[in-house]
Amino acid sequence: DAKTTQPNSMESNEEEPVHLPCNHSTISGTDYIHWYRQLPSQGPEYVIHGLTSNVNNRMASLAIAEDRKSSTLILHRATLRDAAVYYCILRDVRGSQGNLIFGKGTKLSVKP
Amino acid sequence: EPEVTQTPSHQVTQMGQEVILRCVPISNHLYFYWYRQILGQKVEFLVSFYNNEISEKSEIFDDQFSVERPDGSNFTLKIRSTKLEDSAMYFCASSADRMIMNTEAFFGQGTRLTVV
Repeated sequence: DAKTTQPNSMESNEEEPVHLPCNHSTISGTDYIHWYRQLPSQGPEYVIHGLTSNVNNRMASLAIAEDRKSSTLILHRATLRDAAVYYCILRDVRGSQGNLIFGKGTKLSVKP
Repeated sequence: EPEVTQTPSHQVTQMGQEVILRCVPISNHLYFYWYRQILGQKVEFLVSFYNNEISEKSEIFDDQFSVERPDGSNFTLKIRSTKLEDSAMYFCASSADRMIMNTEAFFGQGTRLTVV
């Protein structure tokens, strides 16, 4: 599986936008980019995913670079509840295996 | 909103005992998973299950572990003879399609297993 690189931690102020970067320079054409997050003492939670085009949903936006070697998860207005570990995960759609492999992620702190 | 339910939320067991962790996946989902997270560490994949059989397992999922879908709703993880290092948070997940496809996976709140 292609590897992702994320900063260990980031800080944000409440009600400000947050841009969480992810580098995946060895991404293949059939890798989907998934983002999950894990709030304290909870299970992982789906955030968003995409393949080539930018994606928006009620939780966040996903901006994918034109060469797909990096992506950015955008939280438009951070709230205290957004404090979590955010995981950027690649998975090859051609693979016979279906599970997600979690890395260390980025721990986001949100200050009031 | 549909959710994955896990019971119990916390299980304490003595080393060498068998434990069964239970999960009720979302009703129309077809793919089921177990993950674990040792305190302070990464979420680790254990096993995936589809069509009443294991589709993939990790190196962690040795002969001490087994999974079962005994009826149409429950999905269980059994640890035959627990060891101290099995102490972790165990998460069940389900998805309508394979996790890597154009779908999202839903995780339960986890069962904290403490082996003493």
